[in-house]
Amino acid sequence: AQRVTQPEKLLSVFKGAPVELKCNYSYSGSPELFWYVQYSRQRLQLLLRHISRESIKGFTADLNKGETSFHLKKPFAQEEDSAMYYCALSGSGGYNKLIFGAGTRLAVHP
Amino acid sequence: NAGVTQTPKFRILKIGQSMTLQCTQDMNHNYMYWYRQDPGMGLKLIYYSVGAGITDKGEVPNGYNVSRSTTEDFPLRLELAAPSQTSVYFCASRGGQGDTEAFFGQGTRLTVV
Repeated sequence: AQRVTQPEKLLSVFKGAPVELKCNYSYSGSPELFWYVQYSRQRLQLLLRHISRESIKGFTADLNKGETSFHLKKPFAQEEDSAMYYCALSGSGGYNKLIFGAGTRLAVHP
Repeated sequence: NAGVTQTPKFRILKIGQSMTLQCTQDMNHNYMYWYRQDPGMGLKLIYYSVGAGITDKGEVPNGYNVSRSTTEDFPLRLELAAPSQTSVYFCASRGGQGDTEAFFGQGTRLTVV
């Protein structure tokens, strides 16, 4: 079965501290992994996707197929990073679903 | 650009009533999705569509129905509303599968009392 697991419901850090939001997945084919973010009173929006291998707002994520993980990292958290973060999985070759994890709320304190 | 538009933004229903949540997109996307968002549960896929006339069940389809008569519109129908359907509903669209970005509506907050 296809599944996305985000084990932490809440991650609370101080400004300037490193951040790692965990994401593990289960998928039999070649997955496409994403991180979506929902800031307060805003729509869900794409933060980054593994295929592009880019850094967005200082965040990076590496797909580790051996560990079936796609953790989101940022070396120095900012208060404006406080939001709800969702890991998502899609596929190709006829797999049309876009499945999300339960989400992790990141709270960055001054 | 309008993107993905959902109506209504808020609605209170009585148990047993029915309603349709509207979703329309102007990006000519083939793929459309309905999710519900419950606290601590994340987004659960209710139904999805890969093009006009084609729909399929997601993770939590019971109590809901959909149709896709046009590329632009993907309404979600609730028949015989129940308190368990109290949630925030999101519609999304994307141009393809794989690594294609999904665009979301602003959500519909539904309360069933």
